[in-house]
Amino acid sequence: NAGVTQTPKFQVLKTGQSMTLQCAQDMNHEYMSWYRQDPGMGLRLIHYSVGAGITDQGEVPNGYNVSRSTTEDFPLRLLSAAPSQTSVYFCASSYASGGAGNTIYFGEGSWLTVV
Amino acid sequence: QQQVKQSPQSLIVQKGGIPIINCAYENTAFDYFPWYQQFPGKGPALLIAIRPDVSEKKEGRFTISFNKSAKQFSLHIMDSQPGDSATYFCAASIGGYGNKLVFGAGTILRVKS
Repeated sequence: NAGVTQTPKFQVLKTGQSMTLQCAQDMNHEYMSWYRQDPGMGLRLIHYSVGAGITDQGEVPNGYNVSRSTTEDFPLRLLSAAPSQTSVYFCASSYASGGAGNTIYFGEGSWLTVV
Repeated sequence: QQQVKQSPQSLIVQKGGIPIINCAYENTAFDYFPWYQQFPGKGPALLIAIRPDVSEKKEGRFTISFNKSAKQFSLHIMDSQPGDSATYFCAASIGGYGNKLVFGAGTILRVKS
């Protein structure tokens, strides 16, 4: 049981390049989401999914794309990287039912630098 | 516009002290308030959580106090230890959408030995 696995751990991109951050969970969780963490701003929701084939936007979705073809995987695509997307990205997952009763598990993060 | 405001930004206490971190929210639809602990290079991990029908919740050395009328909640760490040095985030969410968390900006806690 690996929990939430993110790859890559570190990545440097040039402005305009595209890339995909991978996220996989082995806990059969329905809910998955992506957050970005910036200094002094906490974590902000980018996109989330409540199940395979269902995705929706969070607070800061611009410049990012997601899809959920399987329960296990939830990749985050940067379409045309910009320096403003330099951040630490966290994937999270949880069971769908209820709020307080479910622990949300976070991956260890992907550090992205756009130059 | 930050829906959850957290203070202080940083905090230094002596070992055995009781650091207190405060959060205030605006959206009265929030009904789940977790606290997360994050160590450098790691993802946030759930520490303790509370729902608004309870005024206080304790788990080990960690206590959440909740004031619904003031729309405020706080984390107290009893008998703090150097191992508690980390960044702490408060958060809030609505209904069953526990995965749509709104986070505070975070508090960097250092416990001096």
